[in-house]
Amino acid sequence: IQLTQSPSSLSASVGDRVTITCRASQGISSYLAWYQQKPGKAPKLLIYAASTLQSGVPSRFSGSGSGTDFTLTISSLQPEDFATYYCQHLYNYVFTFGPGTKVDIK
Amino acid sequence: EVQLLESGGGLVQPGGSLRLSCAASGFTFSNYAMTWVRQAPGKGLEWVSGISGSGGNTYYADSVKGRFTVSRDNSKNTLYLQMNSLRAEDAAIYYCARGYSSGSYYLQHWGQGTLVTVSS
Repeated sequence: IQLTQSPSSLSASVGDRVTITCRASQGISSYLAWYQQKPGKAPKLLIYAASTLQSGVPSRFSGSGSGTDFTLTISSLQPEDFATYYCQHLYNYVFTFGPGTKVDIK
Repeated sequence: EVQLLESGGGLVQPGGSLRLSCAASGFTFSNYAMTWVRQAPGKGLEWVSGISGSGGNTYYADSVKGRFTVSRDNSKNTLYLQMNSLRAEDAAIYYCARGYSSGSYYLQHWGQGTLVTVSS
């Protein structure tokens, strides 16, 4: 199962609503996670099971989708949200990551 | 507090071997599945391998299958990754990670990573 993400990068301003899409090459039910990674740091789990917010993650992050199409939405971008975002599927025990979406400052 | 500390990285020649370790603390190690993820310099994340809490089930990416072996010693709270027949494309930071709950492979806790360089 391959994952694609779009866009590969985007420029946005503080306060903007940002949506990142992850598409699976075949259906994966809701076995999808979203991670945030900042330079030089380990990734951080944001969303699991496609739409469940990990404890401690701000509510401006949300996830949706099932089957093959998924989205991560940041409702109001904050300065600390500039980072790279990855989706990952957990289907069939080969847990591929998507290629990533870099969010930077406009 | 959950802590994961990788070690064992370094410089190895193509075709060589290396064993990575991940020392875990702050939780009941045997209750949790564990995962190895790698990231080549300037590149994205790549899932490498996973292992169940008992060690009875192991999973590998196609890119490392037959060359890498994941194992764990629950008496020592340590996860391992034995890497053989190393190639230039295996060079990366290797992270160990733990799921957010027992049995889960959604990766909440991560180590700081250990760097593997493959070069002659």
